[in-house]
This record gives sequence, structure tokens and C-alpha cells, in this order.
Amino acid sequence: KAGVTQTPRYLIKTRGQQVTLSCSPISGHRSVSWYQQTPGQGLQFLFEYFSETQRNKGNFPGRFSGRQFSNSRSEMNVSTLELGDSALYLCASSLPGTVQGDTQYFGPGTRLTVL
Amino acid sequence: EDQVTQSPEALRLQEGESSSLNCSYTVSGLRGLFWYRQDPGKGPEFLFTLYSAGEEKEKERLKATLTKKESFLHITAPKPEDSATYLCAVPPGGSYIPTFGRGTSLIVHP
Repeated sequence: KAGVTQTPRYLIKTRGQQVTLSCSPISGHRSVSWYQQTPGQGLQFLFEYFSETQRNKGNFPGRFSGRQFSNSRSEMNVSTLELGDSALYLCASSLPGTVQGDTQYFGPGTRLTVL
Repeated sequence: EDQVTQSPEALRLQEGESSSLNCSYTVSGLRGLFWYRQDPGKGPEFLFTLYSAGEEKEKERLKATLTKKESFLHITAPKPEDSATYLCAVPPGGSYIPTFGRGTSLIVHP
């Protein structure tokens, strides 16, 4: 069974631009969560989507948004990029009914650098 | 305030030298504690879920245990391939947003 895939793997943007990251979950997984990982703050929860609906949201500004499609694939968008948005963005999928954070399968991440 | 604290931040071991990593938490209404392993440049890999005090789970050289205030990840006779960052996570009471600890970076020397 294929794992979680994320594209692109690396991205370089400049301040003020916007970016869209993509995530394809494991087949049969309908829950997709997004995390931001930085050396300073560690791994922080952004939001979770289930059946095309945002189910939970972390404490991030409105510049961070996402969506999920009917095939469970998900995209995350960051508008008006700031230097502090440089991070590894991780997508994780899980089976429905699991507690958030439990038995999640993470993708390799997208490394975003904002110049 | 719900918190998850991992110690030590970094640990260097010789191959075969057993040790333990700690994850202490202060949440009300524990609904599970999760351990993950993360290799450099990769996403975290799920290891264990513990639900109640006294519970133990094992996988190869790893054993996770849980008390009412903390969890330990015991590594028995580690090998260099066990080198990684080990993360624990807890969903805080009243919230479904998981809180991850900062992790313990483990290096096992041959």
C-alpha cells in the first residue's frame, strides 16, 4: 500500500507570495491533518480535514488555510508569506474514528523556505 | 495549562547501552499518549499508543510504559539504526488538538 505523498518536496518563495502544498493520503484514509515543524516551536498542529470538512483547527493565523477534495486529497495554502513561515510542513492521514494524533501516517513533508 | 515535556533533549549512547527517554504530561482526562520516531528529513513514524496507567507496549528493542504523570520509552541494547528523534504527543483535555513534545534526539554510537 502506498504511503502518504506530498508535493512538492522543496519550495523556495519570497515574502508576500502565496504557496499551495499538496497531500495524497493512504488509500482508505479519510482524515488528513497538517502540521508545521520548526526548530524553535517543534511540531504544531495546523488543521484537520475529514470528508471535505475542516474538523479541527490549531492556533495559526487566517493566512493558513486548507481544503480537502472528494478523493480525500488535501491542499494547504499560505498567503502573504512571512519569513517565519519557513518550516517543514507535514501531512498525516489516519483512519476515521481515531483520536487526533493517534496512529497517524506522516508524509515526508514539504520544506518551505521564505526569502 | 496542558503541557508535554520530554527529557533529555539529547542522548548519546554506545551500542548495547540501554537507557530510557521520558515524556511527562499535565493534561486532564488523558485520552491517549502517542510515541513517534522521526529520522532526519522524514516525517514522524508511529510507534505506540498507550491509553491507561500501567499499560506497556513493546516493539523490537523498544518498550513504552505509562503512569498517571509520565511515559517512558525504554531502549534495550540499542543499535546505531535506533538513532532518531523520539516524539511523544498527547491530546489535551477538552481538545482534540494534539500537543507534541519537543522530542529527544538519540544518537547510538557503534
